[in-house]
Amino acid sequence: DADVTQTPRNRITKTGKRIMLECSQTKGHDRMYWYRQDPGLGLRLIYYSFDVKDINKGEISDGYSVSRQAQAKFSLSLESAIPNQTALYFCATSGPLDNEQFFGPGTRLTVL
Amino acid sequence: AQSVTQLGSHVSVSEGALVLLRCNYSSSVPPYLFWYVQYPNQGLQLLLKYTTGATLVKGINGFEAEFKKSETSFHLTKPSAHMSDAAEYFCAVTPRANNDMRFGAGTRLTVKP
Repeated sequence: DADVTQTPRNRITKTGKRIMLECSQTKGHDRMYWYRQDPGLGLRLIYYSFDVKDINKGEISDGYSVSRQAQAKFSLSLESAIPNQTALYFCATSGPLDNEQFFGPGTRLTVL
Repeated sequence: AQSVTQLGSHVSVSEGALVLLRCNYSSSVPPYLFWYVQYPNQGLQLLLKYTTGATLVKGINGFEAEFKKSETSFHLTKPSAHMSDAAEYFCAVTPRANNDMRFGAGTRLTVKP
């Protein structure tokens, strides 16, 4: 079984809709991250969380919010989706003493 | 803040040829450096990382990279390309104090038969 899972894997939605992307991990890591990937831009950090009570904005947090429901779960919400949020979204985790991040398979989001 | 520049968005090599993917970083504090690979329709997988110690780092699938502080570089190499190496490669940097990882824009490697 995969250590980091993301649901859904693909989603098409319309402008103005609220959408939630979910991430679960079985690695026992405290630290979790949300990134978006756009062609030619690499990955950019949206939000990160170092434990259940800790939420931090990343490089591009505008238009997004997150919820850390438990150590193993970290959700990303788009309150009112817009077309330029069309991208590939990745969740990642890391341990406290290891800067290596472990990535989920990604969610491809299309906003029409 | 730290940043990464990957020179060349696309690199094409013949099977059996040397692979060289270039990465330069900027960081005001000693960095940790990473190379990740992304195969089509998959997430990122760690190839190798530099944290401390030996500056020549060996990774999976025959790849290696050398941390050169004076050149602020962390180029990725493989002596002989294989068809299965075709993928997108990302260089990343993070300060040692936290996990604020910054990625380069990526280099797509094509391997010709």
